Amino acid sequence: EDQVTQSPEALRLQEGESSSLNCSYTVSGLRGLFWYRQDPGKGPEFLFTLYSAGEEKEKERLKATLTKKESFLHITAPKPEDSATYLCAVQTSGNTGKLIFGQGTTLQVKP
Amino acid sequence: DVKVTQSSRYLVKRTGEKVFLECVQDMDHENMFWYRQDPGLGLRLIYFSYDVKMKEKGDIPEGYSVSREKKERFSLILESASTNQTSMYLCASTRLAGGPKFFGPGTRLTVL
Repeated sequence: EDQVTQSPEALRLQEGESSSLNCSYTVSGLRGLFWYRQDPGKGPEFLFTLYSAGEEKEKERLKATLTKKESFLHITAPKPEDSATYLCAVQTSGNTGKLIFGQGTTLQVKP
Repeated sequence: DVKVTQSSRYLVKRTGEKVFLECVQDMDHENMFWYRQDPGLGLRLIYFSYDVKMKEKGDIPEGYSVSREKKERFSLILESASTNQTSMYLCASTRLAGGPKFFGPGTRLTVL
């Protein structure tokens, strides 16, 4: 069965304390891996799509990487405004648009 | 900027009512999606559409139907609302055969 697992469920960091969020997946065939940011009461905001192992993408303090079994979202020197829930989702081969979402990691960055 | 709008941010309905949730995107995207989001269950796909009048069932289509008469508009219909359909409903869109890139703000539906 296709599955996506994110860890940790929650993460508290001090401002400037770098860390990584993990998204591990077990799927029959990967078409793409998506990262989103979601603020409370709002819809998810698209961050990155990764398509093949070894691929990396960056946006401001965020960097996403992909291996054959997992993806990491590295947050470098986070600020309080980076506090949000980060969602990972996998698009499997053969599906036109269906994603399997992980449960999310809720990040809190304290000043 | 791409914009995905949803007809209501908050909605309260009674059990048995027929409920319409509307979603409009302004970027000529082919793909549109309806998800629901519940604590502990994450986002689950209800239906998606890859073209006008085309639709495919997602993971949890029971109790829902959809309509896409125009490319920019994708409607979710709850035929007879039940309390277990109380949830946050999210619409999304994207170009071509890709996963959802742009989400709307969500509609928080409460069924009493």
